[in-house]
Amino acid sequence: AQSVSQHNHHVILSEAASLELGCNYSYGGTVNLFWYVQYPGQHLQLLLKYFSGDPLVKGIKGFEAEFIKSKFSFNLRKPSVQWSDTAEYFCAVRAYNNNDMRFGAGTRLTVKP
Amino acid sequence: GAGVSQSPSNKVTEKGKDVELRCDPISGHTALYWYRQSLGQGLEFLIYFQGNSAPDKSGLPSDRFSAERTGGSVSTLTIQRTQQEDSAVYLCASSLTSGGAHETQYFGPGTRLLVL
Repeated sequence: AQSVSQHNHHVILSEAASLELGCNYSYGGTVNLFWYVQYPGQHLQLLLKYFSGDPLVKGIKGFEAEFIKSKFSFNLRKPSVQWSDTAEYFCAVRAYNNNDMRFGAGTRLTVKP
Repeated sequence: GAGVSQSPSNKVTEKGKDVELRCDPISGHTALYWYRQSLGQGLEFLIYFQGNSAPDKSGLPSDRFSAERTGGSVSTLTIQRTQQEDSAVYLCASSLTSGGAHETQYFGPGTRLLVL
């Protein structure tokens, strides 16, 4: 079964700094990849997803992620973070045509104003 | 429009008691998922319902856990003879379709379960 690892548990940045959150998965077949975000006091919501095609995926609020198949990675990036990006970020992977979606442990992002 | 709702929002129970957690998916969503999030860990898939098909129970951790979905809508997750290690946030998600590029799971607020 697939598994997901997120390298950073807690990242602290100042506003306008660039962000990259690591995500690696283990599964040899075709996968669907997701990043979810949970803002304080809110539900988990989808940030972006990759199913096929262009490996560089753009999501909401200026976030993007790049699928690098050879590295089994799907890192999340944002060139300039804002205080409102403070949240917990979860990477998830699902083997193609499988119901079982595996989530990473999450990375807590704190952006200092 | 209304999102996914879950009840109760918090539940404190004694070890050995049974609990029922409820999920109301978004109207018209055929797929429904249950996940568990333990402290400091990612979400753990529990069970999946798709329309009238038999559910995928592959993620249920033991036979004390069961779930049903009535009429293709509301779902109930039941934990029998609760143990302290069952303490976690239980999340429900629904999606309009299952699989494919158009699937997006919408999550509810979760039920925080504490077993004393």
